[in-house]
Amino acid sequence: SQTIHQWPATLVQPVGSPLSLECTVEGTSNPNLYWYRQAAGRGLQLLFYSVGIGQISSEVPQNLSASRPQDRQFILSSKKLLLSDSGFYLCAYPTRPTGELFFGEGSRLTVL
Amino acid sequence: GNSVTQMEGPVTLSEEAFLTINCTYTATGYPSLFWYVQYPGEGLQLLLKATKADDKGSNKGFEATYRKETTSFHLEKGSVQVSDSAVYFCALTPKSSSNTGKLIFGQGTTLQVKP
Repeated sequence: SQTIHQWPATLVQPVGSPLSLECTVEGTSNPNLYWYRQAAGRGLQLLFYSVGIGQISSEVPQNLSASRPQDRQFILSSKKLLLSDSGFYLCAYPTRPTGELFFGEGSRLTVL
Repeated sequence: GNSVTQMEGPVTLSEEAFLTINCTYTATGYPSLFWYVQYPGEGLQLLLKATKADDKGSNKGFEATYRKETTSFHLEKGSVQVSDSAVYFCALTPKSSSNTGKLIFGQGTTLQVKP
């Protein structure tokens, strides 16, 4: 069955500190993987997607980066967090054939 | 370009009231259309979908019909419950991006159902 694990579930970090959010998936192989962000009171914004190991595409310029060290692992990082990085971060992959997204339960980041 | 517009919330209803959340889209060709739901503190779950014109998606008493002539995909439910309180997102994936997961989301509509 399809499963996405995200951790940590909740994180409070000071401005300028580093960040690492991890996403691992089960029940699929060689998936496209996605990081979306939901800022307070706003919709979802696609941040990064990956079509394979080591392949990362960025959708918007920002303070964050992503990596895919293994087929089923997708990591979101920052060297120095900004207040504007606060939000709810969701990892996802598409089911076939219609491309609907299956989401993890998210990681809520608060930068103080 | 491709975009999705939803009615602004919050929408506040009494239990057993009729629900409509409007969604219109702009896209080239024939996109697939989706409604996702986000319950408090949780991630998003697919609620229903439609992949071609005149298709009706339905799930848990919710329905939405793919209307090409009006470029709409309005969400409806005949009788809402308190447990339906959540944020609802309309989304599309262009045909050129089908099977890739590149969804374009509306801004979300918060529904509050009071007993």
